[in-house]
Amino acid sequence: AQSVAQPEDQVNVAEGNPLTVKCTYSVSGNPYLFWYVQYPNRGLQFLLKYITGDNLVKGSYGFEAEFNKSQTSFHLKKPSALVSDSALYFCALLRGGFKTIFGAGTRLFVKA
Amino acid sequence: DTGVSQDPRHKITKRGQNVTFRCDPISEHNRLYWYRQTLGQGPEFLTYFQNEAQLEKSRLLSDRFSAERPKGSFSTLEIQRTEQGDSAMYLCASNSGGHTEAFFGQGTRLTVV
Repeated sequence: AQSVAQPEDQVNVAEGNPLTVKCTYSVSGNPYLFWYVQYPNRGLQFLLKYITGDNLVKGSYGFEAEFNKSQTSFHLKKPSALVSDSALYFCALLRGGFKTIFGAGTRLFVKA
Repeated sequence: DTGVSQDPRHKITKRGQNVTFRCDPISEHNRLYWYRQTLGQGPEFLTYFQNEAQLEKSRLLSDRFSAERPKGSFSTLEIQRTEQGDSAMYLCASNSGGHTEAFFGQGTRLTVV
């Protein structure tokens, strides 16, 4: 079965420090992987995606993610966290060309 | 282009009542999706339209749920005889064939009391 797992319910980081939000996936074939962010009382916003090519993909708001095929991971990273990055982050994969399968989400708290 | 719009934003209803939600996708998008998100979980796929055709329905979509997309524009999601377990955030998203990512609305939060 195709799925994504986010092993951490919550990640705490101090402002200015690097952050990592972890994601692993299980898929047959080549994965299409995504990160979305959800701020309170707002819908999901697309951050970045990996389809093919360079394993390091860059996205919105200074976020980037590294695709690692051997470890079946797609961790989200940012070199320097901001308080405004505090939100709920979802890793996802695309199945069948149209169905997005989401992980359970990781809540990021950035402390000033 | 004002993004994906959903109405209402919040709905409180009594158990057993019917509710209908509306989604207006981004105008040039021919694909439309409905997802359901419960507290502490990621969104779960419910159904998918390409233009006016409903091409996929999740088994989560019981016979009390029906979705339509007349003329391939806006879509409605109706829940009949609501149950407390239907309480959730209902998210609509859209995209076109040129996108792999989906563009989400702000959602309709349903509370069944």
